[in-house]
Amino acid sequence: AQSVAQPEDQVNVAEGNPLTVKCTYSVSGNPYLFWYVQYPNRGLQFLLKYITGDNLVKGSYGFEAEFNKSQTSFHLKKPSALVSDSALYFCAVRDINNFNKFYFGSGTKLNVKP
Amino acid sequence: DADVTQTPRNRITKTGKRIMLECSQTKGHDRMYWYRQDPGLGLRLIYYSFDVKDINKGEISDGYSVSRQAQAKFSLSLESAIPNQTALYFCATSDLAGSGNEQFFGPGTRLTVL
Repeated sequence: AQSVAQPEDQVNVAEGNPLTVKCTYSVSGNPYLFWYVQYPNRGLQFLLKYITGDNLVKGSYGFEAEFNKSQTSFHLKKPSALVSDSALYFCAVRDINNFNKFYFGSGTKLNVKP
Repeated sequence: DADVTQTPRNRITKTGKRIMLECSQTKGHDRMYWYRQDPGLGLRLIYYSFDVKDINKGEISDGYSVSRQAQAKFSLSLESAIPNQTALYFCATSDLAGSGNEQFFGPGTRLTVL
């Protein structure tokens, strides 16, 4: 079965420091991987995706993610965190062998302190 | 978020009541989805539809039904609401063309069943 794991319920980082939000996946075949962000009282917003090609993917708001096939990981990163980055982050995988359904991780709350 | 709208945004109802959540989209996408979000569980798929004549159950469809009235409209019904259906509900859409396309989410409906 396809699945996504986000091992950290919460990540705390100081403003200006680099941040990493972890994601590992389990999928048969080539993975289609996504990161979404959810701000309070809002729906999920697309940040970035990996389909094929360069393992380092750049997305919105200065975020990037690194696809690592050997470690089955797709960690979200940002070189310098902002207080406004504080939100709930979801990793997702699209199962192209099962009607393109999406499977979401449980979410990681990112807290950036001034 | 304006491309995918959900009504109502908040609803409080009583056990046993029938309730309908509505979703409309102006993105012209063929595929529409209903998810529920619970703390610590991420998003779980309730139902999805690939076109007006195609409705499919997701991982947690028991107690729910849906109707795809048009390409742009996808409604979720709780025939007899129960307290453990208290959650945040999201509608999402995606384009049929291309497995690499992301989903677009509505702002969510917060449902409380007393």
